[in-house]
Amino acid sequence: GQSLEQPSEVTAVEGAIVQINCTYQTSGFYGLSWYQQHDGGAPTFLSYNALDGLEETGRFSSFLSRSDSYGYLLLQELQMKDSASYFCAPYSSASKIIFGSGTRLSIRP
Amino acid sequence: DTEVTQTPKHLVMGMTNKKSLKCEQHMGHRAMYWYKQKAKKPPELMFVYSYEKLSINESVPSRFSPECPNSSLLNLHLHALQPEDSALYLCASSQVGGDTEAFFGQGTRLTVV
Repeated sequence: GQSLEQPSEVTAVEGAIVQINCTYQTSGFYGLSWYQQHDGGAPTFLSYNALDGLEETGRFSSFLSRSDSYGYLLLQELQMKDSASYFCAPYSSASKIIFGSGTRLSIRP
Repeated sequence: DTEVTQTPKHLVMGMTNKKSLKCEQHMGHRAMYWYKQKAKKPPELMFVYSYEKLSINESVPSRFSPECPNSSLLNLHLHALQPEDSALYLCASSQVGGDTEAFFGQGTRLTVV
């Protein structure tokens, strides 16, 4: 079985830092990925964590704790173009990628 | 080429029609996926093909019939759909196994009338 939890909405100010949390219960868990989706667009890959710890890619970082079944996406130096929906997506056996309910991030000037 | 191409972009079909959605990638990916996405909801996994064989069917009604003719192509055949099947249908591809990213097409916006 599988369950995923992430906040439904987050609002932040341009230039600030925001953290989007994700807790999961996934059988056959391999790792946790994050995707961004702008309104009307396709999901695009942001990051993947297979091991515990922090992965940094430019302004975006992602963290995983396998023992806590928890991860987060950290977005720094927020820009207006970061307004989008963000999905955590555990990756499990048999190439199964299931999306969480998504967090809608709104950026204010 | 890191593109997944889906056709058509928009489709309107009646409940008695038969239509097909097409998806193509040339990245050498051997895992391909169909997702359904309703407005303001996450993508919902429908099918996964791994090495051209159906590996996952998420209890999808039989009016949706997937097909993977070769390693680059993925089809979704539609028959006797209901208005509630109206949604954005997304195709994705990735390498098989973990530690990988999935590439998504822009989707087909399907309306069933």
